[in-house]
Amino acid sequence: AQKVTQAQTEISVVEKEDVTLDCVYETRDTTYYLFWYKQPPSGELVFLIRRNSFDEQNEISGRYSWNFQKSTSSFNFTITASQVVDSAVYFCALRSSYKLIFGSGTRLLVRP
Amino acid sequence: DVKVTQSSRYLVKRTGEKVFLECVQDMDHENMFWYRQDPGLGLRLIYFSYDVKMKEKGDIPEGYSVSREKKERFSLILESASTNQTSMYLCASRGNVDTGSRQETQYFGPGTRLLVL
Repeated sequence: AQKVTQAQTEISVVEKEDVTLDCVYETRDTTYYLFWYKQPPSGELVFLIRRNSFDEQNEISGRYSWNFQKSTSSFNFTITASQVVDSAVYFCALRSSYKLIFGSGTRLLVRP
Repeated sequence: DVKVTQSSRYLVKRTGEKVFLECVQDMDHENMFWYRQDPGLGLRLIYFSYDVKMKEKGDIPEGYSVSREKKERFSLILESASTNQTSMYLCASRGNVDTGSRQETQYFGPGTRLLVL
Protein backbone atom coordinates (compact mmCIF):
# COMPACT_ATOMS: atom_id res chain seq x y z
CA ALA A 1 0.00 0.00 0.00
CA GLN A 2 1.10 3.54 -0.63
CA LYS A 3 0.71 6.19 1.98
CA VAL A 4 1.93 9.64 2.92
CA THR A 5 1.91 10.80 6.51
CA GLN A 6 2.20 14.38 7.65
CA ALA A 7 2.01 14.04 11.39
CA GLN A 8 1.98 17.78 12.09
CA THR A 9 -1.56 19.03 11.65
CA GLU A 10 -0.79 22.63 12.48
CA ILE A 11 2.36 24.60 13.26
CA SER A 12 2.52 28.16 14.53
CA VAL A 13 5.75 30.16 14.49
CA VAL A 14 6.79 33.75 14.84
CA GLU A 15 8.16 35.49 11.79
CA LYS A 16 11.87 34.87 11.11
CA GLU A 17 11.85 31.52 12.86
CA ASP A 18 12.93 28.44 10.95
CA VAL A 19 10.34 25.70 10.60
CA THR A 20 10.47 22.11 9.33
CA LEU A 21 7.47 20.28 7.94
CA ASP A 22 7.73 16.51 8.17
CA CYS A 23 6.69 13.99 5.53
CA VAL A 24 6.99 10.21 5.77
CA TYR A 25 5.96 7.99 2.90
CA GLU A 26 5.36 4.29 2.28
CA THR A 27 5.74 2.51 -1.02
CA ARG A 28 7.08 -0.79 -2.30
CA ASP A 29 7.94 0.64 -5.68
CA THR A 30 11.55 1.34 -6.55
CA THR A 31 10.68 4.18 -8.91
CA TYR A 32 8.52 6.92 -7.51
CA TYR A 33 8.24 10.68 -7.25
CA LEU A 34 7.76 12.93 -4.27
CA PHE A 35 6.26 16.39 -4.32
CA TRP A 36 5.52 19.35 -2.10
CA TYR A 37 2.64 21.69 -2.83
CA LYS A 38 1.58 24.90 -1.11
CA GLN A 39 -2.08 25.86 -0.76
CA PRO A 40 -2.55 29.50 0.27
CA PRO A 41 -5.96 30.74 1.46
CA SER A 42 -6.95 31.42 -2.15
CA GLY A 43 -7.16 27.66 -2.63
CA GLU A 44 -4.85 26.99 -5.55
CA LEU A 45 -2.32 24.19 -5.13
CA VAL A 46 1.07 25.59 -6.05
CA PHE A 47 3.81 23.18 -7.04
CA LEU A 48 7.03 23.67 -5.06
CA ILE A 49 9.33 20.74 -5.78
CA ARG A 50 9.56 17.29 -7.33
CA ARG A 51 12.09 14.61 -6.41
CA ASN A 52 12.51 11.20 -8.01
CA SER A 53 13.49 8.14 -6.03
CA PHE A 54 16.94 7.95 -7.61
CA ASP A 55 17.96 11.44 -6.64
CA GLU A 56 18.65 11.84 -2.95
CA GLN A 57 20.42 15.15 -3.29
CA ASN A 58 19.03 17.77 -1.01
CA GLU A 59 17.80 20.92 -2.64
CA ILE A 60 17.76 24.56 -1.66
CA SER A 61 15.72 27.25 -3.32
CA GLY A 62 16.00 30.58 -1.60
CA ARG A 63 14.56 30.20 1.90
CA TYR A 64 13.20 26.73 1.08
CA SER A 65 15.15 23.51 1.43
CA TRP A 66 14.23 19.86 1.17
CA ASN A 67 15.83 16.84 2.79
CA PHE A 68 15.12 13.51 1.07
CA GLN A 69 16.26 10.39 2.94
CA LYS A 70 15.32 7.02 1.48
CA SER A 71 16.69 5.19 4.53
CA THR A 72 13.96 6.72 6.69
CA SER A 73 11.39 7.22 3.88
CA SER A 74 11.22 10.89 4.65
CA PHE A 75 11.04 14.03 2.55
CA ASN A 76 11.10 16.97 4.93
CA PHE A 77 10.67 20.62 4.03
CA THR A 78 12.37 23.48 5.87
CA ILE A 79 11.55 27.15 5.59
CA THR A 80 14.32 29.40 6.85
CA ALA A 81 13.51 32.81 8.27
CA SER A 82 9.78 32.32 7.83
CA GLN A 83 7.56 35.16 6.65
CA VAL A 84 3.88 35.89 7.05
CA VAL A 85 3.36 35.10 3.35
CA ASP A 86 4.48 31.54 4.05
CA SER A 87 1.23 30.97 5.95
CA ALA A 88 -0.58 28.22 4.05
CA VAL A 89 -1.36 24.54 4.06
CA TYR A 90 1.50 22.44 2.75
CA PHE A 91 0.96 19.03 1.19
CA CYS A 92 3.45 16.29 0.60
CA ALA A 93 2.55 13.82 -2.16
CA LEU A 94 3.81 10.55 -3.66
CA ARG A 95 3.36 9.20 -7.17
CA SER A 96 4.48 5.91 -8.67
CA SER A 97 1.71 5.14 -11.13
CA TYR A 98 -1.02 7.40 -12.45
CA LYS A 99 -2.20 8.43 -9.04
CA LEU A 100 -0.93 11.16 -6.74
CA ILE A 101 -1.24 10.18 -3.07
CA PHE A 102 -1.47 13.21 -0.80
CA GLY A 103 -0.72 13.56 2.85
CA SER A 104 -3.32 15.24 5.02
CA GLY A 105 -1.43 18.53 4.97
CA THR A 106 0.22 20.74 7.55
CA ARG A 107 -1.24 24.16 8.24
CA LEU A 108 1.53 26.66 8.85
CA LEU A 109 0.73 29.93 10.56
CA VAL A 110 3.47 32.53 10.63
CA ARG A 111 2.68 35.33 13.09
CA PRO A 112 4.19 38.79 12.72
CA ASP B 1 4.54 28.43 -17.63
CA VAL B 2 1.89 25.78 -17.28
CA LYS B 3 -1.57 27.18 -16.97
CA VAL B 4 -4.63 25.30 -15.80
CA THR B 5 -7.81 27.33 -15.67
CA GLN B 6 -11.21 26.50 -14.25
CA SER B 7 -14.40 28.14 -15.46
CA SER B 8 -15.56 29.46 -12.08
CA ARG B 9 -13.98 30.23 -8.73
CA TYR B 10 -17.31 30.15 -6.91
CA LEU B 11 -20.57 28.49 -7.86
CA VAL B 12 -23.92 28.22 -6.10
CA LYS B 13 -26.44 25.66 -7.35
CA ARG B 14 -29.66 24.12 -6.16
CA THR B 15 -30.24 20.46 -5.35
CA GLY B 16 -31.15 18.52 -8.46
CA GLU B 17 -29.52 20.91 -10.92
CA LYS B 18 -27.09 19.65 -13.54
CA VAL B 19 -23.70 21.25 -12.96
CA PHE B 20 -20.77 21.56 -15.35
CA LEU B 21 -17.28 22.35 -14.13
CA GLU B 22 -14.85 23.13 -16.92
CA CYS B 23 -11.10 22.84 -16.90
CA VAL B 24 -8.68 23.92 -19.62
CA GLN B 25 -4.90 23.44 -19.80
CA ASP B 26 -2.52 25.01 -22.26
CA MET B 27 0.45 22.64 -22.04
CA ASP B 28 -0.73 19.93 -24.43
CA HIS B 29 -0.80 17.49 -21.50
CA GLU B 30 -2.21 14.04 -22.08
CA ASN B 31 -3.44 13.46 -18.53
CA MET B 32 -6.09 15.43 -16.70
CA PHE B 33 -7.62 14.91 -13.26
CA TRP B 34 -10.53 16.03 -11.11
CA TYR B 35 -10.24 16.05 -7.32
CA ARG B 36 -12.45 17.22 -4.54
CA GLN B 37 -11.09 18.57 -1.30
CA ASP B 38 -12.99 18.46 1.95
CA PRO B 39 -11.90 19.35 5.50
CA GLY B 40 -10.62 16.30 7.30
CA LEU B 41 -10.75 14.14 4.15
CA GLY B 42 -7.97 15.71 2.14
CA LEU B 43 -7.84 15.51 -1.64
CA ARG B 44 -9.70 12.66 -3.28
CA LEU B 45 -9.52 11.68 -6.93
CA ILE B 46 -12.88 11.62 -8.69
CA TYR B 47 -11.94 10.83 -12.30
CA PHE B 48 -8.98 11.12 -14.59
CA SER B 49 -8.38 10.97 -18.31
CA TYR B 50 -5.20 9.86 -20.07
CA ASP B 51 -6.31 10.75 -23.59
CA VAL B 52 -9.11 12.33 -25.55
CA LYS B 53 -12.37 10.45 -25.03
CA MET B 54 -10.70 8.20 -22.44
CA LYS B 55 -11.63 8.25 -18.78
CA GLU B 56 -10.97 6.22 -15.69
CA LYS B 57 -12.71 6.22 -12.32
CA GLY B 58 -10.81 7.47 -9.35
CA ASP B 59 -11.59 6.82 -5.72
CA ILE B 60 -14.99 8.52 -5.50
CA PRO B 61 -16.70 8.60 -8.92
CA GLU B 62 -20.26 8.09 -7.68
CA GLY B 63 -22.54 10.96 -8.57
CA TYR B 64 -20.13 12.37 -11.17
CA SER B 65 -19.33 11.91 -14.82
CA VAL B 66 -16.68 13.45 -17.05
CA SER B 67 -16.17 14.42 -20.64
CA ARG B 68 -12.99 14.89 -22.64
CA GLU B 69 -13.78 15.76 -26.23
CA LYS B 70 -10.65 17.83 -26.78
CA LYS B 71 -7.18 17.35 -25.40
CA GLU B 72 -7.06 20.66 -23.58
CA ARG B 73 -10.47 20.46 -21.94
CA PHE B 74 -11.78 18.16 -19.21
CA SER B 75 -15.27 18.64 -17.83
CA LEU B 76 -16.74 17.35 -14.60
CA ILE B 77 -20.50 16.87 -14.59
CA LEU B 78 -22.80 16.55 -11.63
CA GLU B 79 -25.91 15.04 -13.20
CA SER B 80 -28.15 15.94 -10.26
CA ALA B 81 -26.36 18.00 -7.65
CA SER B 82 -26.81 17.08 -4.01
CA THR B 83 -25.84 18.91 -0.84
CA ASN B 84 -23.11 16.37 -0.09
CA GLN B 85 -21.36 17.51 -3.26
CA THR B 86 -20.69 20.90 -1.73
CA SER B 87 -16.92 21.03 -1.86
CA MET B 88 -13.80 22.51 -3.39
CA TYR B 89 -13.11 21.00 -6.81
CA LEU B 90 -9.59 21.01 -8.19
CA CYS B 91 -8.55 20.18 -11.72
CA ALA B 92 -5.00 19.14 -12.62
CA SER B 93 -3.02 18.15 -15.67
CA ARG B 94 0.20 16.25 -16.30
CA GLY B 95 2.21 15.26 -19.34
CA ASN B 96 3.45 11.76 -20.05
CA VAL B 97 6.62 10.39 -18.51
CA ASP B 98 8.48 9.95 -21.75
CA THR B 99 8.11 13.52 -22.91
CA GLY B 100 10.44 15.18 -20.44
CA SER B 101 11.21 15.45 -16.75
CA ARG B 102 8.79 18.31 -16.12
CA GLN B 103 6.03 16.00 -17.26
CA GLU B 104 6.19 14.17 -13.97
CA THR B 105 4.55 17.07 -12.23
CA GLN B 106 0.83 17.53 -11.82
CA TYR B 107 -0.20 21.18 -12.12
CA PHE B 108 -3.39 22.41 -10.53
CA GLY B 109 -5.98 24.98 -11.41
CA PRO B 110 -7.25 27.61 -8.97
CA GLY B 111 -10.18 25.49 -7.79
CA THR B 112 -13.94 25.92 -7.83
CA ARG B 113 -15.81 26.25 -4.56
CA LEU B 114 -19.23 24.74 -5.18
CA LEU B 115 -22.11 25.25 -2.80
CA VAL B 116 -25.23 23.14 -3.36
CA LEU B 117 -28.31 24.44 -1.55
